[in-house]
Amino acid sequence: GAVVSQHPSWVICKSGTSVKIECRSLDFQATTMFWYRQFPKQSLMLMATSNEGSKATYEQGVEKDKFLINHASLTLSTLTVTSAHPEDSSFYICSASDLGGITDTQYFGPGTRLTVL
Amino acid sequence: EDQVTQSPEALRLQEGESSSLNCSYTVSGLRGLFWYRQDPGKGPEFLFTLYSAGEEKEKERLKATLTKKESFLHITAPKPEDSATYLCAVPLAQKLVFGQGTRLTINP
Repeated sequence: GAVVSQHPSWVICKSGTSVKIECRSLDFQATTMFWYRQFPKQSLMLMATSNEGSKATYEQGVEKDKFLINHASLTLSTLTVTSAHPEDSSFYICSASDLGGITDTQYFGPGTRLTVL
Repeated sequence: EDQVTQSPEALRLQEGESSSLNCSYTVSGLRGLFWYRQDPGKGPEFLFTLYSAGEEKEKERLKATLTKKESFLHITAPKPEDSATYLCAVPLAQKLVFGQGTRLTINP
């Protein structure tokens, strides 16, 4: 149980284009979904928290107009990187929690490798 | 300042050589501590949640323990497939804060 999927698993795009990443909870309803970014040899950094039907809460320093998050249903959240630039190249990972509290277990997706040329 | 620190940064063991990984934290009012395993190019895989000092949890060759200041992930008679980065994380404010991880390599 508690399976989270992400699509695509990797994407290469040209600078200036937009990329959408999907995160799905496959066998449970996710009250809250989280989006993380991980650079090589570094740990996970939270970008934003989203609750179904609500606007996402972004961490300090994360541009909300650049990283658009939509949590349209209890099983799907999307992250759109708008006007991507090479510095946005990273490993993006989502997680989902059924109970939604920060002390509840988060289950992670397999990640999406984004490379911006 | 609230912090989560893992040590060592990297650890190489021979197959069957038991050891422990450390996660120390300076958090007032700990509300839980999570251990995850992360393979290269993959998302973290949930291992354990510990909520109170003295609590222990086991899964196969892994055992996690918790004190008021730190948590240990003990690995007994490891196998090469246990090679991965092990992350601990603590809830702080409204987010999960991760340590830098311990990169564990088990040589056959």
